[in-house]
Amino acid sequence: EVQLVESGGGLVQPGGSLRLSCAASGFTFSSLWMSWVRQAPGKGLEWLANMNQDGSEKNYVDSVKGRFTISRDNAKNSVYLQMNSLRDEDTAVYYCARFRSYDMDVWGQGTTVTVSS
Amino acid sequence: QSALTQPRSVSGSPGQSVAISCTGTSSDVGGYNYVSWYQQHPGKAPKLMISDVNKRPSGVPDRFSGSKSGNTASLTISGLQAEDEADYYCCSFAGSLYVFGTGTKVTVL
Repeated sequence: EVQLVESGGGLVQPGGSLRLSCAASGFTFSSLWMSWVRQAPGKGLEWLANMNQDGSEKNYVDSVKGRFTISRDNAKNSVYLQMNSLRDEDTAVYYCARFRSYDMDVWGQGTTVTVSS
Repeated sequence: QSALTQPRSVSGSPGQSVAISCTGTSSDVGGYNYVSWYQQHPGKAPKLMISDVNKRPSGVPDRFSGSKSGNTASLTISGLQAEDEADYYCCSFAGSLYVFGTGTKVTVL
C-alpha cells in the first residue's frame, strides 16, 4: 500500500524550532519529487516547498523561505521539514505529499504544529 | 504568489451539475496546462481529483471533469451526489512554485 506518515508536530513557542518527518512506503521513494503543504485552522491549503529526487533542487514559497528547509534521506524513504524562527501564523496542519508530474497524488494524514507562548 | 481566486461556496441538488471556477494570471493558470484539483472532506487529507487541467486519476468518478480558458480553470461535477459535499481546491504550477486556490465549499442540498 502506498502510504505517507508524518510525525514531529507539537506545541512550540514563538521563535522556536521543530523538525517534521514523513515516512514513505509502498513506492520507489527515490524516484519522485516530494512536497510539504500546510493548512492553518479553518483556512485553505498553502504549498510550502518541494524537492527533487536527489535533493539538488529545492523550491520554497516566499513566506517560509529562509526559515524552513526541506530535505530527504532516500536510504530511509523519508522527507523532512526543518522549521526555524516559528511564528504564530505557522500554526497549521502540515501535510507531506508525493509529486507525480505536476500534481500531488498521495498525501499523508498530516501532523499538527501549534506555535504559542 | 497570490492565491488563485475561487468562489467561497456553490451548491446544488442531487443529480444537478455544479461548476467551480479558479482564476489566476498568465504567470500561473494561464501560462501552463498544469492545473490540478483536490477534494477535502472535513478532518481528512486532500485527494487528487483532476490533474493537468482535465485528466482524471484512476478511481475518480467520470462525473468530475476539468477545463481551462485563458487564466481561468474550472471543475465541473455532473450528477451531484451526497458524498461530493466537501471543500475543493485548485492548484497551479507557477514556474518552479505552486499556488493553491482559496477553496470552494460544495454543498449538496
